Amino acid sequence: EAGVVQSPRYKIIEKKQPVAFWCNPISGHNTLYWYLQNLGQGPELLIRYENEEAVDDSQLPKDRFSAERLKGVDSTLKIQPAELGDSAVYLCASSLRGQGWNEQFFGPGTRLTVL
Amino acid sequence: AQKVTQAQTEISVVEKEDVTLDCVYETRDTTYYLFWYKQPPSGELVFLIRRNSFDEQNEISGRYSWNFQKSTSSFNFTITASQVVDSAVYFCALSADSWGKLQFGAGTQVVVTP
Repeated sequence: EAGVVQSPRYKIIEKKQPVAFWCNPISGHNTLYWYLQNLGQGPELLIRYENEEAVDDSQLPKDRFSAERLKGVDSTLKIQPAELGDSAVYLCASSLRGQGWNEQFFGPGTRLTVL
Repeated sequence: AQKVTQAQTEISVVEKEDVTLDCVYETRDTTYYLFWYKQPPSGELVFLIRRNSFDEQNEISGRYSWNFQKSTSSFNFTITASQVVDSAVYFCALSADSWGKLQFGAGTQVVVTP
């Protein structure tokens, strides 16, 4: 079974530029998560999707971040414009359902560097 | 509010030694779930174990074991006879059906030297 796929693995951009990350969850998983992981810290949830609906985006900085999950499968997370403080690893995860007991499967992440 | 505290920043051991990782959590939910994840240098978080709040039975799975104590809100994790491949960052995480997301601790770096 294929795992969660993310691309690109690494991205270097200059501040004020736009950037997009892509995630393809495990087949059949209805719930998709985007996490932000700063160096030396645990991941923090940005947004959670149940199928194509964003059910928890309270931690997403909506002035510059946006996300979509068209057709309830793969998802894109965008930052526009990027700031120096956005340098971090962006992790995508998926689970069968959104209930708390479901284990989440993580992708390898996209490491973003903003210069 | 939910909170997970991993007080140990880094633990260094020599191969074959046991290593215990501490985790203390806070939540008002009566039904919740505790997890341990491993993040090797490759970056991908790997699920290790899960325990629900109603089951305080401690278990052993291979070289992994865990000690869940609701009275002290702790969920400690032990690797027995450590190996170099165990070198990674280990995260304790908390979840509940009412909010369906993982609240992670800051992680503990485990370094196993030959």
